[in-house]
Amino acid sequence: QVQLVQSGAEVKKPGASVRVSCKASGYTFSTYGIIWVRQAPGQGFEWMGWISAYNGNTNYAQKFQGRLTLTTETSTSTAYLDLRSLRPDDTALYYCARVKKDGARWVWFDPWGQGTLVTVSS
Amino acid sequence: DIVMTQSPDSLAVSLGERATINCKSSQSVLYSSNNKNYLAWYQHKPGQPPKLLIYWASTRGSGVPDRFSGSGSGTDFTLTISSLQAEDVAVYYCQQYYSVQMYTFGQGTKLEIK
Repeated sequence: QVQLVQSGAEVKKPGASVRVSCKASGYTFSTYGIIWVRQAPGQGFEWMGWISAYNGNTNYAQKFQGRLTLTTETSTSTAYLDLRSLRPDDTALYYCARVKKDGARWVWFDPWGQGTLVTVSS
Repeated sequence: DIVMTQSPDSLAVSLGERATINCKSSQSVLYSSNNKNYLAWYQHKPGQPPKLLIYWASTRGSGVPDRFSGSGSGTDFTLTISSLQAEDVAVYYCQQYYSVQMYTFGQGTKLEIK
């Protein structure tokens, strides 16, 4: 079955960087995209960006421009999120999800990874 | 950005009764070239990842029970659970994928058993 498995929880100090991985299985990785969404404690979902696993094209939410890099490694069907200059308010559960393309647009997110808790604290 | 507003914030419904959750977008998510509404609904249970329930505003995702249905068009949408089951306790979110520059979610509606 289609599955996304994310890397384990991380604890980082302010100013540090974090890398979260998302390994896909059960489908042809390069025919879909991967989106990243985060949920801070007690908050709703915040879309961060997407990456095409076909050609590596990316689109980042303006809020994360300059701090966020999304990449994929097609040989291992793995997507990566790199977030730099971490702040305490980056503490959140980070999710990856598969996204399909309909025409020129990425559409709904299905399935989601199990989530990775990133805690930023001094 | 397209702002998604759900109502109510929380809802308590008796087992077997109907549950209705509303979602309003700040601008239309109906794409005129294909007459499709770019709206999805997700179910989020504690300790689990979100699960896709509905896409194109009214199409059920794979394996989703038929007691879940979506309706609406343009800016006003509804998720209906026709007969509430205990396993439906969750937080429900609507999400627009019309704006490719910024996907946005509603704030969530917490559904509980009365």
